Amino acid sequence: GENVEQHPSTLSVQEGDSAVIKCTYSDSASNYFPWYKQELGKGPQLIIDIRSNVGEKKDQRIAVTLNKTAKHFSLHITETQPEDSAVYFCAASMADTDKLIFGTGTRLQVFP
Amino acid sequence: DADVTQTPRNRITKTGKRIMLECSQTKGHDRMYWYRQDPGLGLRLIYYSFDVKDINKGEISDGYSVSRQAQAKFSLSLESAIPNQTALYFCATSDDRGSETQYFGPGTRLLVL
Repeated sequence: GENVEQHPSTLSVQEGDSAVIKCTYSDSASNYFPWYKQELGKGPQLIIDIRSNVGEKKDQRIAVTLNKTAKHFSLHITETQPEDSAVYFCAASMADTDKLIFGTGTRLQVFP
Repeated sequence: DADVTQTPRNRITKTGKRIMLECSQTKGHDRMYWYRQDPGLGLRLIYYSFDVKDINKGEISDGYSVSRQAQAKFSLSLESAIPNQTALYFCATSDDRGSETQYFGPGTRLLVL
């Protein structure tokens, strides 16, 4: 079955700097890769996703890149702000399964 | 997300007790999921249901059971709770009409003594 590895487990950056979180997946049939943000005391919330027919997707300060050959995808946050502090999860799923396999999470801290 | 609610939000129970965690949604989604979150392990799928008559085991279903009472309701039961079931439990929903986005509830923090 699918396995998703996520690194780093914790990440501390200064406000205004960039943050990058990386994930690798094992099943080459996976074709959907969402990123979720979990704030303290809340459930995860989708922030961006990418499908296997696209190499990069941007939404304001966040972007996701996908390398199908290497089976890895990354989340990039530019100009970080304190409110970006949260736990971030990557996930992968195969077509028509609607089942997500999650990475182990990255705790991002942005210091003012 | 206020459209997905979970009760209770916190629960302390003793080993051997039966407990039920409830999830309700007003999003009109057919698909519902139960996940467990443990530090360093991420979110792991316990059970999922693609409609009222469809129940499937996830990767860690042992020790758990579920009931899909209606499209809007999906309950998770621990028949005989044990301490290693202490975790944060999330319910989620998704639409079966082409979008894989899952919408999560606020979670239930469970402590088994």
